[in-house]
Amino acid sequence: DAKTTQPNSMESNEEEPVHLPCNHSTISGTDYIHWYRQLPSQGPEYVIHGLTSNVNNRMASLAIAEDRKSSTLILHRATLRDAAVYYCILRPGAMDTGRRALTFGSGTRLQVQP
Amino acid sequence: ETGVTQTPRHLVMGMTNKKSLKCEQHLGHNAMYWYKQSAKKPLELMFVYNFKEQTENNSVPSRFSPECPNSSHLFLHLHTLQPEDSALYLCASSQEGQSSYTEAFFGQGTRLTVV
Repeated sequence: DAKTTQPNSMESNEEEPVHLPCNHSTISGTDYIHWYRQLPSQGPEYVIHGLTSNVNNRMASLAIAEDRKSSTLILHRATLRDAAVYYCILRPGAMDTGRRALTFGSGTRLQVQP
Repeated sequence: ETGVTQTPRHLVMGMTNKKSLKCEQHLGHNAMYWYKQSAKKPLELMFVYNFKEQTENNSVPSRFSPECPNSSHLFLHLHTLQPEDSALYLCASSQEGQSSYTEAFFGQGTRLTVV
């Protein structure tokens, strides 16, 4: 499985933007970049995913480097409820025969200060 | 509410007990998963079921026995566990097709303590 590398932890202040980086230098051409987060005492939840172009949804934005070897999850205005562990995961494309089940790394623990 | 419900939320069991964890999904998905999350460790994929058939078993000890009677229900039967099996057990589901798939939806987990 292609591997991702994330910082162990990051801190942010409330209502400020947060940029969570992820390196995936061995990404294959058909791998999608998925982000999930796990709030305290809960199961992970989907945040966003993309292939090549930058993506936006109601939760976050995903900026993908042109060479696809890194990506950044952007929370535009962090709130206390965004404090969680954020996971960057590579998943094969739907037409790919590779393993689709999510493989989690250690993620980045985001702390948000009031 | 994610559409994936796990029961019980907490379970304490002795090493000689037999218990079962239950997962039910109300999303119409065809794939279900068991994950284990130990303290200070990443989530570990244990089992994968597609259309009720087990498609992955990641070297899980036989004291963990999964069962998937239909696409909506998944069980994890536990017997003669060890204290190191204490962890959060998470169930997830997704819709898997030949040309598309959805994101995975997770339950809130069962916090298991083996004494």
